Amino acid sequence: AQRVTQPEKLLSVFKGAPVELKCNYSYSGSPELFWYVQYSRQRLQLLLRHISRESIKGFTADLNKGETSFHLKKPFAQEEDSAMYYCALSEGNQFYFGTGTSLTVIP
Amino acid sequence: DVKVTQSSRYLVKRTGEKVFLECVQDMDHENMFWYRQDPGLGLRLIYFSYDVKMKEKGDIPEGYSVSREKKERFSLILESASTNQTSMYLCASSYLAGELWYEQYFGPGTRLTVT
Repeated sequence: AQRVTQPEKLLSVFKGAPVELKCNYSYSGSPELFWYVQYSRQRLQLLLRHISRESIKGFTADLNKGETSFHLKKPFAQEEDSAMYYCALSEGNQFYFGTGTSLTVIP
Repeated sequence: DVKVTQSSRYLVKRTGEKVFLECVQDMDHENMFWYRQDPGLGLRLIYFSYDVKMKEKGDIPEGYSVSREKKERFSLILESASTNQTSMYLCASSYLAGELWYEQYFGPGTRLTVT
């Protein structure tokens, strides 16, 4: 069963516009959730994790247990945010990734 | 800084060849993983290992095997490469970063083309 769902394969926004990348999960316990990002020609890297409640590069993500969501948000998109974004859920030492959302920020 | 390295960035092999993809991490991480990354399908786990000589099948192990003889090295083997194994292969390692959660580090990937 798919544990992590990212409904949007492609997302385009204009520079300066708000952006939200959606992630829904399926997990009965208390999930450990992450957002990973892959910039062009770079390796996949951790963007943020819900447990630390931090903001990285202006991005935030709030865990909503009622809606089983962990959407990634940024109030003002920048061109350098164009990348592939993956939502991931950790269960013990295993990770489950969504299918990814390719974000393009239009200048 | 954690380093996860993969033996090749690009590899071209013929159908039926035996292919070895090597991954090395330098941070003494217990867990290592092999994924394949395909457009529209995201990352799919092939195999993972939580200790030397230990391995567990992931979601798509068919056609692949793995070897972990040393803690720092995790090899992915395609016994007889087929064209549907053309893909980007990502290696990762992880460690227990908090009380209950792990953090993963990825290698740069190997783009394998099977002709």
